[in-house]
Amino acid sequence: EAGVVQSPRYKIIEKKQPVAFWCNPISGHNTLYWYLQNLGQGPELLIRYENEEAVDDSQLPKDRFSAERLKGVDSTLKIQPAELGDSAVYLCASSTTSGYTQYFGPGTRLTVL
Amino acid sequence: QQQVKQSPQSLIVQKGGISIINCAYENTAFDYFPWYQQFPGKGPALLIAIRPDVSEKKEGRFTISFNKSAKQFSLHIMDSQPGDSATYFCAASMEGTYKYIFGTGTRLKVLA
Repeated sequence: EAGVVQSPRYKIIEKKQPVAFWCNPISGHNTLYWYLQNLGQGPELLIRYENEEAVDDSQLPKDRFSAERLKGVDSTLKIQPAELGDSAVYLCASSTTSGYTQYFGPGTRLTVL
Repeated sequence: QQQVKQSPQSLIVQKGGISIINCAYENTAFDYFPWYQQFPGKGPALLIAIRPDVSEKKEGRFTISFNKSAKQFSLHIMDSQPGDSATYFCAASMEGTYKYIFGTGTRLKVLA
């Protein structure tokens, strides 16, 4: 069974530029999560989707971050414009609707110069 | 009240030794406590998890001990191996929220 797929794995951009990350969850997993992981810290939830619906986006900085999961499968997280403080690893995870176990992808390491 | 406090920040253990990582929480509504292992450049991977209705869970060399009254839980790695060298995160979740609150992580190094 394929795991959670994320791309790109690494991204380097100049500040004020836009950037987008893509995630394909494990087949059959209706719940999808985006996490932010700063260096030396645990992941922090940005947004959770149940199918197409964002059911928890309270931690998403909506002035510059947006996310979508149009067909209830893969998802895109966007930052526009990026700031220096956005440099981090962006993790995607998925789970079954009613399951507790979250399966993480390898993450996208973003560097903002 | 939503925090999960994890210690130590880093740990060095000799091969064959026991690694112990501790976590503490405040919110008694938490009802699921997973441990994740993360290697450099990889995403966290579930290692073992426990619910508060049991005091201990063992899977191979990995054991979670849970103390509900003290609101603490710990990961024990028996017969630690160099391949166990990684960062370990504890987490807590409340039923119905599916939102993990992660600890700050413990970087484990097992010396050969």
